[in-house]
Amino acid sequence: GNSVTQMEGPVTLSEEAFLTINCTYTATGYPSLFWYVQYPGEGLQLLLKATKADDKGSNKGFEATYRKETTSFHLEKGSVQVSDSAVYFCALRSTGGGNKLTFGTGTQLKVEL
Amino acid sequence: SAVISQKPSRDICQRGTSLTIQCQVDSQVTMMFWYRQQPGQSLTLIATANQGSEATYESGFVIDKFPISRPNLTFSTLTVSNMSPEDSSIYLCSVAPTVSTDTQYFGPGTRLTVL
Repeated sequence: GNSVTQMEGPVTLSEEAFLTINCTYTATGYPSLFWYVQYPGEGLQLLLKATKADDKGSNKGFEATYRKETTSFHLEKGSVQVSDSAVYFCALRSTGGGNKLTFGTGTQLKVEL
Repeated sequence: SAVISQKPSRDICQRGTSLTIQCQVDSQVTMMFWYRQQPGQSLTLIATANQGSEATYESGFVIDKFPISRPNLTFSTLTVSNMSPEDSSIYLCSVAPTVSTDTQYFGPGTRLTVL
């Protein structure tokens, strides 16, 4: 079946540091890949997505590249801010999966001054 | 995108009672989903609710415990029945406008505490 594996958190960084949150997946075919973000006390928001190999999703300074050869979709940001503190979820939607999403366990990011 | 609201935003309930959570969307959508997010954990899909058909439940979830209604293209309800403390979770509604839409949009969630 489908699965998503994320690096465990919490990840604690200083403001302006570089961020990488690793995400790898297992799925048949060519899934669509997503990063969702959950700010404290709020619901999930779509951060970015990529629908085919070598696509790069980007939003709010965050980027992730769909790597078919390594089955990965790592999230990166060059300079984090305190306001980026949240839980980040990697997810996939497999082809023929009835639009169902499979989520990773989430990675909590804490950014300090 | 779609704007989704959920009611209630939070509730504290007694063991053995039931709670119905409402999900309202500002536009017509084909697919609606209900997820559970237990404390400190990821999201688990409970069921898919399409208008005009019975909800499709994931492994480990049954209709008697989590009955779902989908009376039209903008509204759905999830009932958590005969609650126990293990049902304490955040319950999230999400939507996909069409079957082929690959992005889901999430509501703010309902935080349920069962005593």
